[in-house]
Amino acid sequence: EAGVAQSPRYKIIEKRQSVAFWCNPISGHATLYWYQQILGQGPKLLIQFQNNGVVDDSQLPKDRFSAERLKGVDSTLKIQPAKLEDSAVYLCASSLGGVGKTQYFGPGTRLLVL
Amino acid sequence: AQSVTQLDSQVPVFEEAPVELRCNYSSSVSVYLFWYVQYPNQGLQLLLKYLSGSTLVESINGFEAEFNKSQTSFHLRKPSVHISDTAEYFCAVTFNYGQNFVFGPGTRLSVLP
Repeated sequence: EAGVAQSPRYKIIEKRQSVAFWCNPISGHATLYWYQQILGQGPKLLIQFQNNGVVDDSQLPKDRFSAERLKGVDSTLKIQPAKLEDSAVYLCASSLGGVGKTQYFGPGTRLLVL
Repeated sequence: AQSVTQLDSQVPVFEEAPVELRCNYSSSVSVYLFWYVQYPNQGLQLLLKYLSGSTLVESINGFEAEFNKSQTSFHLRKPSVHISDTAEYFCAVTFNYGQNFVFGPGTRLSVLP
């Protein structure tokens, strides 16, 4: 079974530029999550999708971050414009949905904002 | 606010020694508890989880964790560690039987020869 795929794996941009990350979840997983992991910290949830609807985006900085999940499968996370403090690893995870279900994580995209 | 604490940011231990990685959470409401592991240059992987039933849960590679409701803890233990256990370990909790994880800051386990 293929795991969660993410691209790119690494990205370096200058502040005020825009960037987009892509995630392909495990086939059949209805729930998709985007996390931000800053160096030395645990992952922090940015947004959760159930199929193509948003369940929780309370910690997403909506003035610069946006995310979509068209057709309930792939998802993209965008930052526009980027700030220095956005430097982090962006993790995508998916699960079958429902309480207590295991989340399966992708390898992450490491973003460096200069 | 609901939070997860891992007091030890780094734990160095010699090979074949026992280890305990501590995890405490902020509230005594209904919870599901997870330990994830991140090996160098790899993604997060589920190590073990507690949903209900026996408070002692085990993983396939010799780790175990015990849910202690009164102490609001879910400490991870292994009686004898190997070099290959070197990794970062994250405790995660879902509160009120929700779907969203709150992660702790992680503990970096370094197993020394």
